[in-house]
Amino acid sequence: NAGVTQTPKFQVLKTGQSMTLQCAQDMNHEYMSWYRQDPGMGLRLIHYSVGAGITDQGEVPNGYNVSRSTTEDFPLRLLSAAPSQTSVYFCASSRNLRLASTDTQYFGPGTRLTVL
Amino acid sequence: GDSVTQMEGPVTLSEEACLTINCTYTATGYPSLFWYVQYPGEGLQLLLKATKADDKGSNKGFEATYRKETTSFHLEKGSVQVSDSAVYFCALSDNGGATNKLIFGTGTLLAVQP
Repeated sequence: NAGVTQTPKFQVLKTGQSMTLQCAQDMNHEYMSWYRQDPGMGLRLIHYSVGAGITDQGEVPNGYNVSRSTTEDFPLRLLSAAPSQTSVYFCASSRNLRLASTDTQYFGPGTRLTVL
Repeated sequence: GDSVTQMEGPVTLSEEACLTINCTYTATGYPSLFWYVQYPGEGLQLLLKATKADDKGSNKGFEATYRKETTSFHLEKGSVQVSDSAVYFCALSDNGGATNKLIFGTGTLLAVQP
């Protein structure tokens, strides 16, 4: 049981490049989400998914796309990277929407992205 | 909207000192409250949680009590260790919402010196 895995761990992009951050979980969790962590701002929700085929926007969705074709995977796409997207990105998952308010979210180890 | 406010760090303590990290929240409903911890180079881990007023969450010697009257969820530990050095995040989850969104505070860095 690997939990939540993220790849890559580190990435450097040039402005305008595109890339996909990968996230996978092996716990059969319904709910998955992406956060970005910036100094002095805590974690902010980018996008989330309540199940395969269903996604929605969080607090800071601009510049990011997501899809959820399987329960296990939830990739985050940057179509045209900007320096403002330099951040640490965390993927998280949790089990059961009916216990949404009390359920534990499990976080991946993060991807540190630098956009030059 | 809902929000979480934490005391700014860094907090620097000597080993075996007492710890309090303040957290207050603003919410329209009746949120669940969480403390997450992030050790250097790692992702966040749930430390403890409380789902209703007057509940006390506890884990690894840390405690926090859900105080509805003061809208607070302060994290406490009686005797910190060097291994407790980490960033601590207070968070809330909206009980009335249909999704499992967490709203985080800005985090408090704790550095414990031997």
